[in-house]
Amino acid sequence: AQSVTQLDSHVSVSEGTPVLLRCNYSSSYSPSLFWYVQHPNKGLQLLLKYTSAATLVKGINGFEAEFKKSETSFHLTKPSAHMSDAAEYFCVVIYSSASKIIFGSGTRLSIRP
Amino acid sequence: DVKVTQSSRYLVKRTGEKVFLECVQDMDHENMFWYRQDPGLGLRLIYFSYDVKMKEKGDIPEGYSVSREKKERFSLILESASTNQTSMYLCASRSSGSLLTGELFFGEGSRLTVL
Repeated sequence: AQSVTQLDSHVSVSEGTPVLLRCNYSSSYSPSLFWYVQHPNKGLQLLLKYTSAATLVKGINGFEAEFKKSETSFHLTKPSAHMSDAAEYFCVVIYSSASKIIFGSGTRLSIRP
Repeated sequence: DVKVTQSSRYLVKRTGEKVFLECVQDMDHENMFWYRQDPGLGLRLIYFSYDVKMKEKGDIPEGYSVSREKKERFSLILESASTNQTSMYLCASRSSGSLLTGELFFGEGSRLTVL
């Protein structure tokens, strides 16, 4: 079955340290992959997307993600966390076979001062 | 700046009341969606519409209906609100021109409490 898995429900890092939020998808030919961020009581905002161009994708607010087909992963990273990065992050996949949009369960990112 | 606007950010209703949640987008998108978001359950699709007057059930349509009379507006209707419909409701829109690659644009959400 087509699916997307966010491996951590909660990640806590210190301000200024690197952030890694993990996302794995079930294998499929040419999926499109997205990362969204949701701040408390807000809608979801697109951080970045992969649509079969460059495998390293840069997004807003210093985030980037790398598409690794061999590992079926699309992990989100940021070199240095900021307090304003505290939010919920969603990995989203669209599979070409069904064009259905599948959301991961979300990862809550906390930033320690 | 592209925009999806949800008319009410916070609503409090009583059990049995009829509730309308309105969503308007200014991007001329064909596809519009209603999701509900609950802690531990993520985002679940209630209904989506791929064109004016066209709709399809999502994963949890029971207790809800929708209306799309104009391209820019997609309404979610709770005919008789119940306490288990207390939730955050998110509207989104998307162009049908790129079904595989086009991203969703979300509104700010409507937090509904049913007493």
